[in-house]
Amino acid sequence: SQKIEQNSEALNIQEGKTATLTCNYTNYSPAYLQWYRQDPGRGPVFLLLIRENEKEKRKERLKVTFDTTLKQSLFHITASQPADSATYLCALEGSGGYQKVTFGTGTKLQVIP
Amino acid sequence: NAGVTQTPKFQVLKTGQSMTLQCAQDMNHNSMYWYRQDPGMGLRLIYYSASEGTTDKGEVPNGYNVSRLNKREFSLRLESAAPSQTSVYFCASLSGRVGKTNEKLFFGSGTQLSVL
Repeated sequence: SQKIEQNSEALNIQEGKTATLTCNYTNYSPAYLQWYRQDPGRGPVFLLLIRENEKEKRKERLKVTFDTTLKQSLFHITASQPADSATYLCALEGSGGYQKVTFGTGTKLQVIP
Repeated sequence: NAGVTQTPKFQVLKTGQSMTLQCAQDMNHNSMYWYRQDPGMGLRLIYYSASEGTTDKGEVPNGYNVSRLNKREFSLRLESAAPSQTSVYFCASLSGRVGKTNEKLFFGSGTQLSVL
């Protein structure tokens, strides 16, 4: 069966350090992978998209890698700040086509001042 | 430009009652979605509509029906609510096209539903 797995345990890091979140998937062949941020009581907000033929994508302090051989994406936040504290979700195009977007369980990040 | 609007924001139902969650987007997007979010489960896809006139099942469709009324509106109906349907429901729409770089989901603010 198809699975998208993210660390279910919260990740606590010190302010200024780099946070690294993992997204692993099985039985998908996605054309792209997305990362979203979700704050308590709100809907997710899009952060980055990376395509299957891209190894790495950057946006300001964010960096995403995509390894289709390992079936894994890594999401990095450099120089983390308390304001980065949130839940981060990865999302994939499902087997129904690019419109069928399915999500991982999310990882809660806490940046400690 | 409101984006994705969901109503209601909160709802309490008794087991067996029915209700419809409404969703509308004003961004002229083709694809729309309904997700539910439970603690520790992430977002699970209930139904989606790739374009006006089409709907498809997601991961957890049982107990739900949907209607894509027009390009703007996509409603989710619970015919006979059960306590297992207590959750936060999110509607979303998808921008962009295959091959382009701007595919992303825009979400509504959610509906907190409790079934007693």
